[in-house]
Amino acid sequence: TQLLEQSPQFLSIQEGENLTVYCNSSSVFSSLQWYRQEPGEGPVLLVTVVTGGEVKKLKRLTFQFGDARKDSSLHITAAQPGDTGLYLCAGAMTSGTYKYIFGTGTRLKVLA
Amino acid sequence: DAGITQSPRHKVTETGTPVTLRCHQTENHRYMYWYRQDPGHGLRLIHYSYGVKDTDKGEVSDGYSVSRSKTEDFLLTLESATSSQTSVYFCAIRGTGTSGSVKEQFFGPGTRLTVL
Repeated sequence: TQLLEQSPQFLSIQEGENLTVYCNSSSVFSSLQWYRQEPGEGPVLLVTVVTGGEVKKLKRLTFQFGDARKDSSLHITAAQPGDTGLYLCAGAMTSGTYKYIFGTGTRLKVLA
Repeated sequence: DAGITQSPRHKVTETGTPVTLRCHQTENHRYMYWYRQDPGHGLRLIHYSYGVKDTDKGEVSDGYSVSRSKTEDFLLTLESATSSQTSVYFCAIRGTGTSGSVKEQFFGPGTRLTVL
Protein backbone atom coordinates (compact mmCIF):
# COMPACT_ATOMS: atom_id res chain seq x y z
CA THR A 1 0.00 0.00 0.00
CA GLN A 2 1.38 3.36 -0.98
CA LEU A 3 1.43 5.98 1.73
CA LEU A 4 1.86 9.72 1.74
CA GLU A 5 2.81 10.96 5.18
CA GLN A 6 2.07 14.57 5.94
CA SER A 7 3.46 16.53 8.88
CA PRO A 8 2.71 18.21 11.13
CA GLN A 9 -0.92 17.21 11.63
CA PHE A 10 -1.78 20.39 13.51
CA LEU A 11 -0.12 23.77 13.61
CA SER A 12 -1.19 26.88 15.54
CA ILE A 13 0.96 29.95 15.00
CA GLN A 14 0.86 33.70 15.38
CA GLU A 15 0.29 36.04 12.47
CA GLY A 16 3.59 36.91 10.80
CA GLU A 17 5.36 33.65 11.59
CA ASN A 18 6.75 31.29 8.96
CA LEU A 19 5.91 27.60 8.67
CA THR A 20 6.66 24.54 6.58
CA VAL A 21 4.46 21.54 5.90
CA TYR A 22 6.00 18.30 4.65
CA CYS A 23 4.70 15.49 2.50
CA ASN A 24 6.82 12.33 2.31
CA SER A 25 6.55 8.97 0.60
CA SER A 26 8.70 6.04 -0.42
CA SER A 27 6.92 6.04 -3.79
CA VAL A 28 7.66 8.10 -6.85
CA PHE A 29 4.87 10.30 -8.17
CA SER A 30 4.37 11.67 -11.64
CA SER A 31 3.12 14.92 -10.10
CA LEU A 32 2.05 16.24 -6.75
CA GLN A 33 -0.78 18.61 -5.93
CA TRP A 34 -1.35 20.84 -2.91
CA TYR A 35 -4.87 21.78 -1.85
CA ARG A 36 -6.44 24.00 0.78
CA GLN A 37 -9.81 23.13 2.24
CA GLU A 38 -12.17 25.33 4.23
CA PRO A 39 -14.82 23.86 6.58
CA GLY A 40 -17.87 22.63 4.68
CA GLU A 41 -16.22 22.94 1.27
CA GLY A 42 -14.29 20.78 -1.14
CA PRO A 43 -10.50 20.97 -1.48
CA VAL A 44 -9.30 23.79 -3.72
CA LEU A 45 -6.20 23.23 -5.84
CA LEU A 46 -3.30 25.55 -5.02
CA VAL A 47 -0.52 24.21 -7.21
CA THR A 48 0.83 21.21 -9.09
CA VAL A 49 4.53 20.36 -9.19
CA VAL A 50 5.76 17.99 -11.86
CA THR A 51 9.53 18.05 -12.25
CA GLY A 52 11.99 16.82 -9.61
CA GLY A 53 13.47 19.82 -7.80
CA GLU A 54 10.78 22.15 -9.10
CA VAL A 55 9.93 25.21 -7.02
CA LYS A 56 6.71 27.18 -7.48
CA LYS A 57 5.61 30.32 -5.73
CA LEU A 58 2.10 31.54 -5.11
CA LYS A 59 2.36 34.92 -3.34
CA ARG A 60 3.65 34.02 0.16
CA LEU A 61 3.45 30.25 -0.46
CA THR A 62 6.44 28.33 -1.82
CA PHE A 63 6.07 24.75 -3.01
CA GLN A 64 8.95 22.40 -3.71
CA PHE A 65 9.03 18.94 -5.25
CA GLY A 66 11.86 16.68 -4.14
CA ASP A 67 14.58 15.76 -6.62
CA ALA A 68 13.42 12.11 -6.63
CA ARG A 69 9.72 13.11 -6.87
CA LYS A 70 8.94 11.28 -3.61
CA ASP A 71 8.42 14.25 -1.33
CA SER A 72 7.27 17.84 -1.28
CA SER A 73 7.10 20.83 1.02
CA LEU A 74 4.91 23.87 1.40
CA HIS A 75 6.45 26.94 3.04
CA ILE A 76 4.33 29.91 4.08
CA THR A 77 6.08 33.19 4.79
CA ALA A 78 4.53 35.71 7.17
CA ALA A 79 1.36 33.73 7.74
CA GLN A 80 -1.94 35.60 7.79
CA PRO A 81 -5.26 34.60 9.46
CA GLY A 82 -6.62 34.06 5.95
CA ASP A 83 -4.16 31.17 5.54
CA THR A 84 -6.08 29.19 8.16
CA GLY A 85 -7.40 25.92 6.80
CA LEU A 86 -6.66 22.28 6.07
CA TYR A 87 -3.75 21.73 3.69
CA LEU A 88 -3.65 18.49 1.73
CA CYS A 89 -1.03 17.02 -0.55
CA ALA A 90 -1.90 14.45 -3.20
CA GLY A 91 0.45 12.39 -5.32
CA ALA A 92 -0.44 11.18 -8.79
CA MET A 93 0.54 7.53 -9.10
CA THR A 94 2.89 6.53 -11.90
CA SER A 95 1.16 3.23 -12.62
CA GLY A 96 -0.97 4.66 -15.42
CA THR A 97 -4.19 4.14 -13.47
CA TYR A 98 -4.73 7.89 -13.00
CA LYS A 99 -5.28 7.45 -9.29
CA TYR A 100 -4.09 9.78 -6.55
CA ILE A 101 -2.96 9.23 -2.98
CA PHE A 102 -3.72 11.85 -0.36
CA GLY A 103 -1.83 12.79 2.74
CA THR A 104 -3.80 12.98 6.00
CA GLY A 105 -3.67 16.77 6.03
CA THR A 106 -2.24 19.60 8.09
CA ARG A 107 -4.72 21.73 9.97
CA LEU A 108 -3.28 25.24 10.22
CA LYS A 109 -4.61 27.98 12.47
CA VAL A 110 -3.10 31.44 12.25
CA LEU A 111 -3.92 33.66 15.20
CA ALA A 112 -4.25 37.40 14.77
CA ASP B 1 -14.73 26.37 -11.24
CA ALA B 2 -14.72 22.90 -12.79
CA GLY B 3 -18.51 22.76 -13.04
CA ILE B 4 -18.99 19.95 -10.52
CA THR B 5 -22.14 19.65 -8.46
CA GLN B 6 -23.10 17.04 -5.90
CA SER B 7 -26.53 16.11 -4.63
CA PRO B 8 -27.80 15.94 -2.03
CA ARG B 9 -25.48 18.17 0.00
CA HIS B 10 -26.69 16.72 3.27
CA LYS B 11 -28.49 13.48 4.04
CA VAL B 12 -29.49 11.61 7.18
CA THR B 13 -30.54 8.02 6.77
CA GLU B 14 -31.02 4.88 8.80
CA THR B 15 -28.88 1.78 8.95
CA GLY B 16 -29.79 -0.78 6.31
CA THR B 17 -31.31 1.62 3.79
CA PRO B 18 -29.87 2.15 0.32
CA VAL B 19 -28.49 5.59 -0.48
CA THR B 20 -27.44 7.09 -3.80
CA LEU B 21 -25.25 10.15 -4.16
CA ARG B 22 -24.97 11.97 -7.45
CA CYS B 23 -22.05 13.80 -9.02
CA HIS B 24 -22.68 15.91 -12.09
CA GLN B 25 -20.10 17.64 -14.28
CA THR B 26 -20.63 19.99 -17.17
CA GLU B 27 -17.25 19.87 -18.97
CA ASN B 28 -17.14 16.38 -20.48
CA HIS B 29 -14.23 15.09 -18.39
CA ARG B 30 -13.41 11.44 -18.89
CA TYR B 31 -12.18 10.63 -15.37
CA MET B 32 -14.39 10.97 -12.29
CA TYR B 33 -13.71 9.91 -8.71
CA TRP B 34 -15.53 9.31 -5.45
CA TYR B 35 -13.69 9.87 -2.16
CA ARG B 36 -14.67 9.81 1.46
CA GLN B 37 -13.08 12.12 4.04
CA ASP B 38 -12.82 11.15 7.67
CA PRO B 39 -10.82 12.71 10.53
CA GLY B 40 -7.32 11.27 10.66
CA HIS B 41 -7.63 9.55 7.28
CA GLY B 42 -7.55 12.33 4.76
CA LEU B 43 -9.27 11.56 1.47
CA ARG B 44 -9.62 7.91 0.52
CA LEU B 45 -10.61 6.69 -2.91
CA ILE B 46 -13.80 4.62 -3.08
CA HIS B 47 -14.27 4.11 -6.83
CA TYR B 48 -13.31 5.89 -9.99
CA SER B 49 -14.44 5.93 -13.59
CA TYR B 50 -12.40 6.28 -16.76
CA GLY B 51 -15.33 6.47 -19.15
CA VAL B 52 -18.98 5.60 -19.62
CA LYS B 53 -19.60 2.21 -18.04
CA ASP B 54 -15.88 1.91 -17.18
CA THR B 55 -15.22 1.88 -13.46
CA ASP B 56 -12.68 0.47 -11.04
CA LYS B 57 -12.31 0.04 -7.30
CA GLY B 58 -10.34 2.22 -4.94
CA GLU B 59 -8.90 1.39 -1.54
CA VAL B 60 -12.20 1.50 0.41
CA SER B 61 -14.75 0.10 -2.05
CA ASP B 62 -16.47 -2.49 0.18
CA GLY B 63 -20.15 -1.64 0.67
CA TYR B 64 -20.20 0.80 -2.25
CA SER B 65 -21.11 0.49 -5.90
CA VAL B 66 -20.97 3.03 -8.71
CA SER B 67 -22.50 3.57 -12.09
CA ARG B 68 -21.76 5.85 -15.00
CA SER B 69 -24.31 5.60 -17.78
CA LYS B 70 -23.42 8.97 -19.29
CA THR B 71 -20.32 11.14 -19.23
CA GLU B 72 -21.71 13.86 -17.02
CA ASP B 73 -23.07 11.74 -14.15
CA PHE B 74 -21.27 9.46 -11.71
CA LEU B 75 -23.46 7.81 -9.08
CA LEU B 76 -22.30 6.33 -5.78
CA THR B 77 -24.62 3.83 -4.08
CA LEU B 78 -24.41 2.54 -0.56
CA GLU B 79 -26.21 -0.73 -0.94
CA SER B 80 -27.14 -1.06 2.74
CA ALA B 81 -25.89 1.89 4.73
CA THR B 82 -23.98 1.30 7.96
CA SER B 83 -22.90 3.72 10.67
CA SER B 84 -19.27 3.29 9.54
CA GLN B 85 -20.26 4.95 6.27
CA THR B 86 -21.09 8.20 8.04
CA SER B 87 -18.67 10.55 6.33
CA VAL B 88 -18.25 13.44 3.95
CA TYR B 89 -18.20 12.28 0.34
CA PHE B 90 -16.42 14.19 -2.39
CA CYS B 91 -16.59 13.79 -6.12
CA ALA B 92 -13.68 14.88 -8.28
CA ILE B 93 -12.81 15.11 -11.95
CA ARG B 94 -9.45 14.95 -13.66
CA GLY B 95 -8.89 17.86 -15.94
CA THR B 96 -6.43 20.43 -17.19
CA GLY B 97 -5.95 23.34 -14.84
CA THR B 98 -3.21 25.82 -14.19
CA SER B 99 -0.27 23.61 -15.05
CA GLY B 100 -0.73 23.51 -18.78
CA SER B 101 -0.93 19.97 -20.09
CA VAL B 102 -0.65 18.31 -16.66
CA LYS B 103 -3.92 16.79 -15.52
CA GLU B 104 -5.13 17.75 -12.07
CA GLN B 105 -8.04 16.88 -9.82
CA PHE B 106 -10.84 19.31 -9.07
CA PHE B 107 -13.41 18.67 -6.38
CA GLY B 108 -17.11 19.16 -5.87
CA PRO B 109 -18.56 20.75 -2.72
CA GLY B 110 -19.18 17.45 -0.92
CA THR B 111 -22.10 15.54 0.57
CA ARG B 112 -22.34 15.10 4.31
CA LEU B 113 -23.96 11.73 5.03
CA THR B 114 -25.07 10.61 8.46
CA VAL B 115 -26.17 7.01 9.00
CA LEU B 116 -28.09 6.52 12.24
